[in-house]
Amino acid sequence: GAVVSQHPSWVICKSGTSVKIECRSLDFQATTMFWYRQFPKQSLMLMATSNEGSKATYEQGVEKDKFLINHASLTLSTLTVTSAHPEDSSFYICSARIPSGRTTGELFFGEGSRLTVL
Amino acid sequence: GDSVTQMEGPVTLSEEAFLTINCTYTATGYPSLFWYVQYPGEGLQLLLKATKADDKGSNKGFEATYRKETTSFHLEKGSVQVSDSAVYFCALNPTGGGNKLTFGTGTQLKVEL
Repeated sequence: GAVVSQHPSWVICKSGTSVKIECRSLDFQATTMFWYRQFPKQSLMLMATSNEGSKATYEQGVEKDKFLINHASLTLSTLTVTSAHPEDSSFYICSARIPSGRTTGELFFGEGSRLTVL
Repeated sequence: GDSVTQMEGPVTLSEEAFLTINCTYTATGYPSLFWYVQYPGEGLQLLLKATKADDKGSNKGFEATYRKETTSFHLEKGSVQVSDSAVYFCALNPTGGGNKLTFGTGTQLKVEL
């Protein structure tokens, strides 16, 4: 099946610093990727839709200036958490849809990146 | 709007027990339905899917049937193993495709020896 990889898996940073998380589709081209945030014991919250070559589409309530998304190529999307604070600590998961999944909506997910802000 | 409702967990079973995790949905038309599984510390993996009414998705001994009349997509497995311990998410994609999956809140399954 399609493979989506995230890096890093774990990151610890100091409050006020910025952290970049990468999401790559390894064996297919993804014009669209999605970024989710997952709180402990809760479901996934869609943060934004990342579109190759254009601006990301953010969900209501998500600060676009805080969570910068760049989708510079068909295989790479990045999420940068700027000026991170402890409340940004979370599990961030990216996903992508293979072209044939456009109708069914099936997504392939990365392994997730756990961010801890001290 | 679209929504997915799952039974609350955690569900604790003994190995080889029968598993059912209920999932019902609210959506117009004929959405595609999915079950995803999340093992500890990992991202989500697609477990199975069904794209139209009466379809049965199956994988790794798990099954779920798309029931339009009851708007349900219950996950079942005849004999669970310890390795099945994970969080299971039911999800739907609206009719005609689209970008956004709607997820249920997840059900944690714990299987004990």
